[in-house]
Amino acid sequence: DQQVKQNSPSLSVQEGRISILNCDYTNSMFDYFLWYKKYPAEGPTFLISISSIKDKNEDGRFTVFLNKSAKHLSLHIVPSQPGDSAVYFCAASITGNQFYFGTGTSLTVIP
Amino acid sequence: EAEVAQSPRYKITEKSQAVAFWCDPISGHATLYWYRQILGQGPELLVQFQDESVVDDSQLPKDRFSAERLKGVDSTLKIQPAELGDSAMYLCASSLTAGAYTGELFFGEGSRLTVL
Repeated sequence: DQQVKQNSPSLSVQEGRISILNCDYTNSMFDYFLWYKKYPAEGPTFLISISSIKDKNEDGRFTVFLNKSAKHLSLHIVPSQPGDSAVYFCAASITGNQFYFGTGTSLTVIP
Repeated sequence: EAEVAQSPRYKITEKSQAVAFWCDPISGHATLYWYRQILGQGPELLVQFQDESVVDDSQLPKDRFSAERLKGVDSTLKIQPAELGDSAMYLCASSLTAGAYTGELFFGEGSRLTVL
């Protein structure tokens, strides 16, 4: 049973505009969430995280929003750049143990 | 910059053969994970080590997969015999410790397995 879901397999955005990637989860015990970015033939690299005590965390162009009641989180990238084109995975865990990953969203930023 | 080392990067084998993957985590990282990523899907945890002890191997197909981390440093994942459905990217990751909201897993570049 997929506990973390990314329902959009792909997303295309114009350079300079906002990219919004969405993630839903089913387990209400999850309290720590992360976003990873993956280029082809490379391992995922950490992007940004948020714990359940917050509803927003910002790092430069990247902001993650958490809506616990809806069991939903989103990653906003503003402004989007061509180098942001990659597959983005969200992950969820309970107290930093046993990370569960979504299926990924492939982002293409069009110059 | 410290990184997780994995080898081989690519492995092609025939079904029923044995295959092994090696991982050297970032120095000082107590927790080591093996994930399997099938094309089009997210990484799926196979086994998690805390030092040399297995913390979680509930998703490891133990009839054909085995994993060890004998000295609590590097780790080996073995498949014997390999089956067609094992074709995937095998990712190793490490973290300073588990369960402490310390942040991210650090992933290696992965080992791509193709079973013919």
